[in-house]
Amino acid sequence: AQSVSQHNHHVILSEAASLELGCNYSYGGTVNLFWYVQYPGQHLQLLLKYFSGDPLVKGIKGFEAEFIKSKFSFNLRKPSVQWSDTAEYFCAVIRSGGYNKLIFGAGTRLAVHP
Amino acid sequence: DVKVTQSSRYLVKRTGEKVFLECVQDMDHENMFWYRQDPGLGLRLIYFSYDVKMKEKGDIPEGYSVSREKKERFSLILESASTNQTSMYLCASSLYQIGKLFFGSGTQLSVL
Repeated sequence: AQSVSQHNHHVILSEAASLELGCNYSYGGTVNLFWYVQYPGQHLQLLLKYFSGDPLVKGIKGFEAEFIKSKFSFNLRKPSVQWSDTAEYFCAVIRSGGYNKLIFGAGTRLAVHP
Repeated sequence: DVKVTQSSRYLVKRTGEKVFLECVQDMDHENMFWYRQDPGLGLRLIYFSYDVKMKEKGDIPEGYSVSREKKERFSLILESASTNQTSMYLCASSLYQIGKLFFGSGTQLSVL
């Protein structure tokens, strides 16, 4: 079965620090990969996505992610975090069969201190 | 803006009760989903529907059923609530754009 692993459950950073959140998936075929974010008190929303082509994808609010096929990874990065980036981040993969059936990782809670 | 509305933000029920969670979307989306969100487990797909009266099981359908009589409404039913169904339930909808789901604000269900 497909699965998504997020290595860090809780991350605490100071403002201006760099961020990298790990995500690995277990599926040997073609994948579509996503990062979703849930800010406190808000809905889950799409941060960025990878379908094909350039393995470095850019999303909203200065986030980017790199797809490394050989490592089955799709890590999320941001060079300099802000207090407003405090949120829970979920990596997700589309399984085969269509209909947008996303498989999510367990999530990483990021706390950014001023 | 797409709006996905879940009828209750907080719900407290007793073991054995039949529970209905309602979800309505206002953008004529084909696909609708029910997930549950638990700390340390992320989101797990319970059921989804790709058209009116059409449904498919997700990863954890046991103890749940769904109903989609109208395109805009997707209901999750707990036939006989149990304490292990205490969770945050999230509804989502999507059109055809792969991976872009619109989520509701969730229903925190407590089963006592």
